[in-house]
Amino acid sequence: AQSVTQLGSHVSVSEGALVLLRCNYSSSVPPYLFWYVQYPNQGLQLLLKYTSAATLVKGINGFEAEFKKSETSFHLTKPSAHMSDAAEYFCAVSDTGSARQLTFGSGTQLTVLP
Amino acid sequence: DADVTQTPRNRITKTGKRIMLECSQTKGHDRMYWYRQDPGLGLRLIYYSFDVKDINKGEISDGYSVSRQAQAKFSLSLESAIPNQTALYFCATSGFGRTGGDQPQHFGDGTRLSIL
Repeated sequence: AQSVTQLGSHVSVSEGALVLLRCNYSSSVPPYLFWYVQYPNQGLQLLLKYTSAATLVKGINGFEAEFKKSETSFHLTKPSAHMSDAAEYFCAVSDTGSARQLTFGSGTQLTVLP
Repeated sequence: DADVTQTPRNRITKTGKRIMLECSQTKGHDRMYWYRQDPGLGLRLIYYSFDVKDINKGEISDGYSVSRQAQAKFSLSLESAIPNQTALYFCATSGFGRTGGDQPQHFGDGTRLSIL
C-alpha cells in the first residue's frame, strides 16, 4: 500500500527566504509523485510531477522538487518565497504506474511573513 | 469557463436529507474522481470512474453513491446525510497525454457541504 507523510502541518517563512516543504512516501513499486497547491476557495493545482525521468523536477512559479529513492523523499523547495506563495501544499503518490489512483498527504499550510 | 465545474459551490442541509453534488467537465477526459477534504486529513478518495461503465469504490465510499451519466458528468450522492459528512468535496478528471501515459488529475473548485 502507498502512503505519504508531510512533516509539518504549518510552515512559516519570511519573504525572500528559502521554502522547504517535506514529503516522504512509501510505495511497493517505483512511484509517481506529485505536488499540488491549493489557494483559498479554490481547487488543487498541479505544481510539478515526478514520473521516473529526471530526479530533479522543475515546476511552475519557481518551485522544484528532488526525488531521492534512498530517503524515500520528494521535498518541495523554492529559493525565495513570495507573498503570493502563501497557500496549502499537498504531496501525492501513485504506485500504479500512473496518475489514476492518488494518495494524498495531510497538507502543509505555508505562511509567508513580510 | 472552468474545465471542471462543480455545482453547487456551497450547500447547507439537514441530517437525513438526500443530497446530490454534480460535476461536469469539458476536458474530454475519460477518468473522473470524487474526493473529500477534511482539515488535517488531506484528500481522500470516495469513488472513481475510468469509463462511463466503470465505477469503483475508493478509500471511503460508505454512505456515498455515484452515477456516471455521460463521459462528461459524474455526480455524487449522499442518500441520507449525516453531520460527519460535512466537508469540502472535490471532483477531478484525468486522461491520456498526446505522447501516451496518464496525465495528472485536474480539480474543480470544490463544493463546501455542511450538514446540520
